Amino acid sequence: SQKIEQNSEALNIQEGKTATLTCNYTNYSPAYLQWYRQDPGRGPVFLLLIRENEKEKRKERLKVTFDTTLKQSLFHITASQPADSATYLCALPNTGNQFYFGTGTSLTVIP
Amino acid sequence: KAGVTQTPRYLIKTRGQQVTLSCSPISGHRSVSWYQQTPGQGLQFLFEYFSETQRNKGNFPGRFSGRQFSNSRSEMNVSTLELGDSALYLCASSLSHYQETQYFGPGTRLLVL
Repeated sequence: SQKIEQNSEALNIQEGKTATLTCNYTNYSPAYLQWYRQDPGRGPVFLLLIRENEKEKRKERLKVTFDTTLKQSLFHITASQPADSATYLCALPNTGNQFYFGTGTSLTVIP
Repeated sequence: KAGVTQTPRYLIKTRGQQVTLSCSPISGHRSVSWYQQTPGQGLQFLFEYFSETQRNKGNFPGRFSGRQFSNSRSEMNVSTLELGDSALYLCASSLSHYQETQYFGPGTRLLVL
């Protein structure tokens, strides 16, 4: 069965630094991969989608890479701010609108 | 456009009871998916409804069921509640089946005592 692992449950970084989150998956070859942000008590919010034929995708201070050989995606937040503190989830599609989610990485940006 | 709404936001039940949760998708969206989120298991897919038909089902027991109405609103029901059913239940709406982008509601926090 598919397995998705995200690096350390919690990541603390200093404001202004670049946060790098990892999503590894096995037993699967997804056509694309998504990243979501989830704040406490709220539902996940879609951030970025990267397709299997794209190596890198950017959106403002966010950058996502997708290495289908390593079966890994990296999610970077540059010039991090305390407002970036949240849990970040990666998700892979199955059939229809079914998605497999990683357990998430809780990011804390320290002022 | 208004976002996805879920009611109620919080619920406390006791073991053996049943519960019904409601989800109203974004206007014009016809697909509604339900997920269970727990600290140990993360987000797990329950089922998806599109055009009033269940299109996909996750690996959950038959105590978990759902339905969708002609206006795309969806309900999920959990019968004979167990302590392990305590979780955040999230619904996500999409324009149609096989959509890459889904929009989540705020969730219903269910506590089973």
